[in-house]
Amino acid sequence: NAGVTQTPKFQVLKTGQSMTLQCAQDMNHEYMSWYRQDPGMGLRLIHYSVGAGITDQGEVPNGYNVSRSTTEDFPLRLLSAAPSQTSVYFCASSRQGSNEKLFFGSGTQLSVL
Amino acid sequence: AQTVTQSQPEMSVQEAETVTLSCTYDTSENNYYLFWYKQPPSRQMILVIRQEAYKQQNATENRFSVNFQKAAKSFSLKISDSQLGDTAMYFCARPPQGGSEKLVFGKGTKLTVNP
Repeated sequence: NAGVTQTPKFQVLKTGQSMTLQCAQDMNHEYMSWYRQDPGMGLRLIHYSVGAGITDQGEVPNGYNVSRSTTEDFPLRLLSAAPSQTSVYFCASSRQGSNEKLFFGSGTQLSVL
Repeated sequence: AQTVTQSQPEMSVQEAETVTLSCTYDTSENNYYLFWYKQPPSRQMILVIRQEAYKQQNATENRFSVNFQKAAKSFSLKISDSQLGDTAMYFCARPPQGGSEKLVFGKGTKLTVNP
């Protein structure tokens, strides 16, 4: 019963570096999404996908790329990390859309120095 | 912009007592969904309760229940018989008007249950 698996759990980057946060789910969910959580801001949607090959922007997409080549995987790429991207990142999935229960990964704490 | 407002940044309650967390939102839709999510210190986000707006009956899940006031656009969470394990951040959330794919969260209420 893996559910939603995020890796890594912690990461420190230098400004300008790139990296990919991995997200995988084993529930055959069509909908997957990425959120960032900042103190006092709640969770804000970065990108989401309603199925393989389909992605769209959320509230705060700048500086991030995503792709959805399979139903299971939804990686989040930081192209050139900035200190403003220091945050906790959550991947979440549901059977179909955000009207249903979202299953969350355990989060990635990212620090950009 | 679609908003979900949680007006209580922090709350505390004694173990075994009842506490109510407030949430208001804006919409002109008639049918929509509302959620409460819990984030304990472990950081894992967990769905607490889900309400469908067209249903008159307030949703309940064991010690958790909602007071859904559709006309007032209010969606409060009541926790009865509070337990130490209820200590967490609680987030109210709803999909924005016209789009079910983008869940919008409130800024959260930090609840502390004291022994």
